[in-house]
Amino acid sequence: GENVEQHPSTLSVQEGDSAVIKCTYSDSASNYFPWYKQELGKRPQLIIDIRSNVGEKKDQRIAVTLNKTAKHFSLHITETQPEDSAVYFCAASRTTGGFKTIFGAGTRLFVKA
Amino acid sequence: IAGITQAPTSQILAAGRRMTLRCTQDMRHNAMYWYRQDLGLGLRLIHYSNTAGTTGKGEVPDGYSVSRANTDDFPLTLASAVPSQTSVYFCASSDRYRGGGELFFGEGSRLTVL
Repeated sequence: GENVEQHPSTLSVQEGDSAVIKCTYSDSASNYFPWYKQELGKRPQLIIDIRSNVGEKKDQRIAVTLNKTAKHFSLHITETQPEDSAVYFCAASRTTGGFKTIFGAGTRLFVKA
Repeated sequence: IAGITQAPTSQILAAGRRMTLRCTQDMRHNAMYWYRQDLGLGLRLIHYSNTAGTTGKGEVPDGYSVSRANTDDFPLTLASAVPSQTSVYFCASSDRYRGGGELFFGEGSRLTVL
């Protein structure tokens, strides 16, 4: 079945540094790759997504890259701030046959002030 | 306020009891999902529904059932709860045709099975 692996499980950075989270997926038919942020005790919320016809997408301090050949994608956060501290989830899904979104296990990011 | 409502927010349940977690959305989204979240395991898909009247199995469907009688409601039933079903359950929805795939989550239901 479909599988998404995410690394690292925990990441600690100094405020102002960059953070990178990497994911790989198994289903070659996946064509939509969202990233969600979950703050403590809250629901996950979408922060950025990328589709298979795009290699990179940027939104202010966050960017995602996608390598379809290697089946991996990454989240990059620059100039990290304490409020970036949260759990981040990558996910992969198809836009046909239903959006059966499969998530990675999550990365807990700590940004130290 | 538009969104997804889950109930109950928290429940303690004796093993062997039947339990239904309720989920209602008012965004007219066609697709709905149930995930469970356990520490270190992320969000695992239990069941999903692409549209009213259809359901499908996710990654961890055993011990759970769902129904989708209409667009707005997607209840999750545990027929005979077991301690391993202790988890936080999130319902989500997406607009399959216009929304591009973003999942909108409810606030979660924390279930403890003793």
